[in-house]
Amino acid sequence: QITLKESGPTLVKPTQTLTLTCTFSGFSLSTSGVGVGWIRQPPGKALEWLALIYWNDDKRYSPSLKSRLTITKDTSKNQVVLTMTNMDPVDTATYYCAHSPPYSSGWFGLNWGQGTLVTVSS
Amino acid sequence: QSALTQPPSASGSPGQSVTISCTGTSSDVGGYNYVSWYQQHPGKAPKLMIYEVSKRPSGVPDRFSGSKSGNTASLTVSGLQAEDEADYYCSSYAGNVVFGGGTKLTVL
Repeated sequence: QITLKESGPTLVKPTQTLTLTCTFSGFSLSTSGVGVGWIRQPPGKALEWLALIYWNDDKRYSPSLKSRLTITKDTSKNQVVLTMTNMDPVDTATYYCAHSPPYSSGWFGLNWGQGTLVTVSS
Repeated sequence: QSALTQPPSASGSPGQSVTISCTGTSSDVGGYNYVSWYQQHPGKAPKLMIYEVSKRPSGVPDRFSGSKSGNTASLTVSGLQAEDEADYYCSSYAGNVVFGGGTKLTVL
């Protein structure tokens, strides 16, 4: 059974850096083809893709947020970490991580975490 | 990379079929067979319903089907049921990932 869980602060101040951790089980990020992505959803709004990392450390970022994002993985801990700098109230959202299986050349979220709500406010 | 275009709403009566469209460009939807669809109920995480245009993950009813023509992908829900009422998002992968704006499906 594959599970993912997001963790991190629920409240951050404007200009601060957000660090979120996705801890997963049931798969290995060292398996060829596997990827983990981050997606966010502001309250009442649509999903927005942020970043993804593959088993081979290939990293992709949303072009509009690339300068603010860093995604890393710790295979031994089964974790993927996303950092977002210079947080603003418009970044208030539920942040999800999702797993993409190895049997596709594309990326899609087969398994999702429950999400974590991050509020940006002073 | 702009968001994919979906109608904001769609509706149908129980038992009917409804189709939701997702329009992109030749650089995303039209250029690759990496379109996926997600169902999201209020307060819940998205659930994958379709991947690679028309493939269903294990456990997804065959009432859900996907297709693509040119730069537009479509999700069809046949035999509408009350539990199908949810938000639906399309997504395309072309090296990066882009989502649509979402469609609220109402079962009348």
